[in-house]
Amino acid sequence: EVQLVQSGAEVKKPGESLKISCKGSGYSFTSYWIGWVRQMPGKGLEWMGIIYPGDSDTRYSPSFQGQVTISADKSISTAYLQWSSLKASDTAMYYCARRPAGGFSFDIWGQGTMVTVSS
Amino acid sequence: QSALTQPASVSGSPGQSITISCTGTSSDVGSYNLVSWYQQHPGKAPKLMIYEVSKRPSGVSNRFSGSKSGNTASLTISGLQAEDEADYYCCSYAGSSTPYVFGTGTKVTVL
Repeated sequence: EVQLVQSGAEVKKPGESLKISCKGSGYSFTSYWIGWVRQMPGKGLEWMGIIYPGDSDTRYSPSFQGQVTISADKSISTAYLQWSSLKASDTAMYYCARRPAGGFSFDIWGQGTMVTVSS
Repeated sequence: QSALTQPASVSGSPGQSITISCTGTSSDVGSYNLVSWYQQHPGKAPKLMIYEVSKRPSGVSNRFSGSKSGNTASLTISGLQAEDEADYYCCSYAGSSTPYVFGTGTKVTVL
């Protein structure tokens, strides 16, 4: 079965660092892009960035450039989203999603990781 | 990159057809036939319903169809069913440097 499995919910304090993960299985991880999408409580979807694990080519939305880092370890079929210093406004659900190398839509989504930042 | 504009809500009775619009610019929707639509039920991950403006993934009902004219894409749901009640988001490719922009989202209510 093709799936993306994300790491569990996190509760952090402002200023702390965090790295969440997205593990792909059932397909060739290096042949698909992995995108990250934010959904703040009660709000819409926001595209954050995307990485091609085959060569680590990474693109960011201007809104998130410099705020987060996207990376991948193709040896363990896992993509990551990390923050060096969390803010309360980072509280949201974060989804990873797969995009075929020759396509432009996200066909498989992870279950989401809820990140709560509170003092 | 500004979000694509969608109506906040659309409603219809069972069996009716509804259409959700998604308005962008000549830099995104207008430049590429690469609009996709996602359905999201409460507490669930989004699901791909339409890609490349009008193509349906395997397993998606043919009651869902997509189209585009100029800078505006549309999703039509025909034969509305209770299970179609969800939030719907459009998404457009916008070029290699900042590849994607989502729509503001539309809540579909089945009356």
